[in-house]
Amino acid sequence: SQTIHQWPATLVQPVGSPLSLECTVEGTSNPNLYWYRQAAGRGLQLLFYSVGIGQISSEVPQNLSASRPQDRQFILSSKKLLLSDSGFYLCAWSDSGVPQHFGDGTRLSIL
Amino acid sequence: AQRVTQPEKLLSVFKGAPVELKCNYSYSGSPELFWYVQYSRQRLQLLLRHISRESIKGFTADLNKGETSFHLKKPFAQEEDSAMYYCALSFSSGSRLTFGEGTQLTVNP
Repeated sequence: SQTIHQWPATLVQPVGSPLSLECTVEGTSNPNLYWYRQAAGRGLQLLFYSVGIGQISSEVPQNLSASRPQDRQFILSSKKLLLSDSGFYLCAWSDSGVPQHFGDGTRLSIL
Repeated sequence: AQRVTQPEKLLSVFKGAPVELKCNYSYSGSPELFWYVQYSRQRLQLLLRHISRESIKGFTADLNKGETSFHLKKPFAQEEDSAMYYCALSFSSGSRLTFGEGTQLTVNP
């Protein structure tokens, strides 16, 4: 069966530090992969999605970037975190367009 | 721009009562609409999509283009329906979803 792993679950980082959140999917091939963020009191906001290795679409211009070095690996990064990057980050995958399965999420706090 | 509004952040009903979670959208084209659910200590998951016209766990949702609504309904709520529900809209190939802020449903015994 398919599973999705996202880590770390919680992260506290100082302003200006780098970021790397990782997401991997098992049990499927060539999935669509997504990174979402949920800020306090707001709905889920799509940050990036990928339909294949090396193919990244950015939805919101900001301080973050994403990469897909392998078919089932999706990485969210930043070179220098801002206070506004705090939030809850969710990775998701699907095999038919809209995200169907989500990870447990990462709670990111910027100090 | 597309927008999804869930007017109720909290909704509480008694077991066996009907429940309706409201969702309104604004979009000039022909959207696809979805409901996602997150049960306590579980992951967010897709519940249903309007194009399937399906009933999942007793829930149904009808797209009303005139009222631009996609309300989620269940005639007899169960305690295990307690969860966070998100309405979402897709306006392109499906990869781009706009989510509402969610409604926390509590079904009391």
